[in-house]
Amino acid sequence: AAGVIQSPRHLIKEKRETATLKCYPIPRHDTVYWYQQGPGQDPQFLISFYEKMQSDKGSIPDRFSAQQFSDYHSELNMSSLELGDSALYFCASSLTGRNQETQYFGPGTRLLVL
Amino acid sequence: EDQVTQSPEALRLQEGESSSLNCSYTVSGLRGLFWYRQDPGKGPEFLFTLYSAGEEKEKERLKATLTKKESFLHITAPKPEDSATYLCAVQASGTYKYIFGTGTRLKVLA
Repeated sequence: AAGVIQSPRHLIKEKRETATLKCYPIPRHDTVYWYQQGPGQDPQFLISFYEKMQSDKGSIPDRFSAQQFSDYHSELNMSSLELGDSALYFCASSLTGRNQETQYFGPGTRLLVL
Repeated sequence: EDQVTQSPEALRLQEGESSSLNCSYTVSGLRGLFWYRQDPGKGPEFLFTLYSAGEEKEKERLKATLTKKESFLHITAPKPEDSATYLCAVQASGTYKYIFGTGTRLKVLA
């Protein structure tokens, strides 16, 4: 079965640079979520989109923005990168509806800021 | 404030030694509780979804149960390949975002 696709899988950036992470949800899923996982930590919710509209917002820095496109893929844009942004970034998708709230995660993008 | 706590933080078992992992939660209203397995550097892999107290789900050597305050992940006769971090997440009513616990790192020794 098709899974969530994330690209790139690895990314190295310098401080103050920008980065764009992409997420392709499972076909027919209408909701996309972004999470950040620091070393040895649990995933922290950043932002989500349902039918291309922002549906929920977590601890996402103002330097980050995201959107969901007409084909349901999503992009997380990160500007003015800081050392502390180094982490694994996961995208998850779900088909929102009664008893269908389970999120399926992608393999993640490992971002290293030098 | 919505909160999820997992215990123990780490657990070492001998192959075949059954045990349970705990996930305690406080939320304003529970939409769902979810268990995932995560291997190092990889995305969380879905295991179970539980919606209401008294519900149980089973898959191979794993069984998840739910009460009004906590969930247990029971591992029966574990094998070395069960070694991973097990994450619990909850969804509160009115939102679909996950609140994760800090996980239990399980190591099963041959």
